[in-house]
This record gives sequence, C-alpha cells and structure tokens, in this order.
Amino acid sequence: GAVVSQHPSWVICKSGTSVKIECRSLDFQATTMFWYRQFPKQSLMLMATSNEGSKATYEQGVEKDKFLINHASLTLSTLTVTSAHPEDSSFYICSAGQGSEKLFFGSGTQLSVL
Amino acid sequence: GENVEQHPSTLSVQEGDSAVIKCTYSDSASNYFPWYKQELGKRPQLIIDIRSNVGEKKDQRIAVTLNKTAKHFSLHITETQPEDSAVYFCAASFAAGNKLTFGGGTRVLVKP
Repeated sequence: GAVVSQHPSWVICKSGTSVKIECRSLDFQATTMFWYRQFPKQSLMLMATSNEGSKATYEQGVEKDKFLINHASLTLSTLTVTSAHPEDSSFYICSAGQGSEKLFFGSGTQLSVL
Repeated sequence: GENVEQHPSTLSVQEGDSAVIKCTYSDSASNYFPWYKQELGKRPQLIIDIRSNVGEKKDQRIAVTLNKTAKHFSLHITETQPEDSAVYFCAASFAAGNKLTFGGGTRVLVKP
C-alpha cells in the first residue's frame, strides 16, 4: 500500500512553545490530507482537512489559529501547534489517500507539553 | 454530520473462537466503510473495507458485512489468534479517499 511518513514520532516541549509536525506521502501525490488527534484509549477525532494550495477545512470546535495547517505541495502537509499547553498533549496522526483509493495513516506524533 | 457508533467497547475471546464487532452509522449518504486495526502506540492499519454496493466481503479470517437499509456493518474475525489482540476501529465516509468518521473503537483481547 501507499506510504505516509510522519515526523517527529514524539516531541516534548515547554508550555507556550510551538511544535511543527510533518506528514509526507512518499510514493504518491496527495491533494488532500487529514489530521486527527487521539487521546489515550479513545478514538481518532478529525481535526481538519488539509487541501493542497488552499486553506484547510477545520472541524467544529477546532481552533484554526492554534492548529495551523499548511499544505504547500502535493506530498507535504504540516500541522503546527502554536503556544502549546498541557491540554494539547495528545497523539496526532495524519492520513492521505491516492485519489479515490484507500486512506493510509502516518506513524503518528506523540506530543507531550510540560 | 456523520455519527458512527461501535459496540462492544471491549471484547475478550478464547483463542480459536470468533469475534464480532458491530457499527452503526447515521448518514445514509455514506458509502465507504473501512476497518482499521491499531496496536498500542502505532498507526491504524487498514485490514478490510467495503463499499455500499456490496453486502459482504471476505479476506481469509476476516469478513465484513453491510446492511445499508439498517445502516449497520460488522467485522467478523474467525479462528482468532493472540496476534489479533488490538483495538479495532470502524469508520464511514461519503467516498473512499474522503474524510473518515470513526467509531469509538473495540479493544479485543484474545486469550491463549
């Protein structure tokens, strides 16, 4: 299947700092990528849809100024958690698909904000 | 928007027995239903999917059934093995490749 790479796999930061997470489609072009967050023992909650060359579409309740998404190329989307706080600590995971085909997930990023 | 309910939240089975997980969805426009397996700290892995024009699909020990009229679909794992222990998520979307709405997950434990 298609390969989606996500970096970093884990990050620890101080409260108030910003953290950037990268999601890359390695062997295909992805005009659309999705960002999810997952709290321990819970399901995946869609945060936003990242569209190449245009603004991201955020789900209800997700602060777009806090979770900045940039999809500058057909193979890269980034999620920046700005002014991170302990409540932002979570597992963040991206996904991408090849047009109408299946969605594949990145390896996820465990964010811990101290 | 779409809402996906998944049951049970936990499932413990003896090795060799079958496991069944059920999901219901709310949006009749949804027509793509994948199932993912997630091990602790790892990415969800697609194990099987079904489209609304199909009622059943099977891949070795895994099968999925879909009742579009009742808006529910199920995952069946036969001859369970310890390595089947994981969290399983059902999901629904308007079309393959579109955003997925996930169920709450089922933690499956296969006891040797």
